[in-house]
Amino acid sequence: GAVVSQHPSWVICKSGTSVKIECRSLDFQATTMFWYRQFPKQSLMLMATSNEGSKATYEQGVEKDKFLINHASLTLSTLTVTSAHPEDSSFYICSARDMGPGEKLFFGSGTQLSVL
Amino acid sequence: GQSLEQPSEVTAVEGAIVQINCTYQTSGFYGLSWYQQHDGGAPTFLSYNALDGLEETGRFSSFLSRSDSYGYLLLQELQMKDSASYFCAVRDPPGDNYGQNFVFGPGTRLSVLP
Repeated sequence: GAVVSQHPSWVICKSGTSVKIECRSLDFQATTMFWYRQFPKQSLMLMATSNEGSKATYEQGVEKDKFLINHASLTLSTLTVTSAHPEDSSFYICSARDMGPGEKLFFGSGTQLSVL
Repeated sequence: GQSLEQPSEVTAVEGAIVQINCTYQTSGFYGLSWYQQHDGGAPTFLSYNALDGLEETGRFSSFLSRSDSYGYLLLQELQMKDSASYFCAVRDPPGDNYGQNFVFGPGTRLSVLP
């Protein structure tokens, strides 16, 4: 099956710094990747859809200047949390769809961000 | 828009059978998916139903009734390792989003007791 790699797995940073999270599709090309945020014991909330070669589509209420998304190639999307604050602490997960038949999403392993 | 409802928690014992229900309201429907997520891990795909009826994959089965906007995930011969959160999901119809993103239900936390 398709593999999505996400790095780092966890990161601790000081308030005010920026953090970059990478999401790579290892054995398939993903023109579209999705970035989710998840708080403990809650569901996955879509933040934005990352589109290769064009601007990301952000969900309502998500600050595009704070959560910068770049999809520079068919296998790599990055999410940068700029000027992070403690309320940005969360589990961030990326996913991509295999372009084959079916409705299967493949997820990265997630990044636990803790902002001090 | 899309909205889904699931029970928040279910508890069962090893070897038992458990059913996790999902009801949905969508402006367009392309099928119902199920995902499993262990604590601290990433969601993994379990099943997908586009048509009415039962889909079986080993110990897990998934059912869909489009007329009732309802589906369920059936887990048989429960094992301790099945303790996890289970999410149903539907896809947004084309046009709402370039990438046709998925909307997830609130999740059902399954606890399997010895």
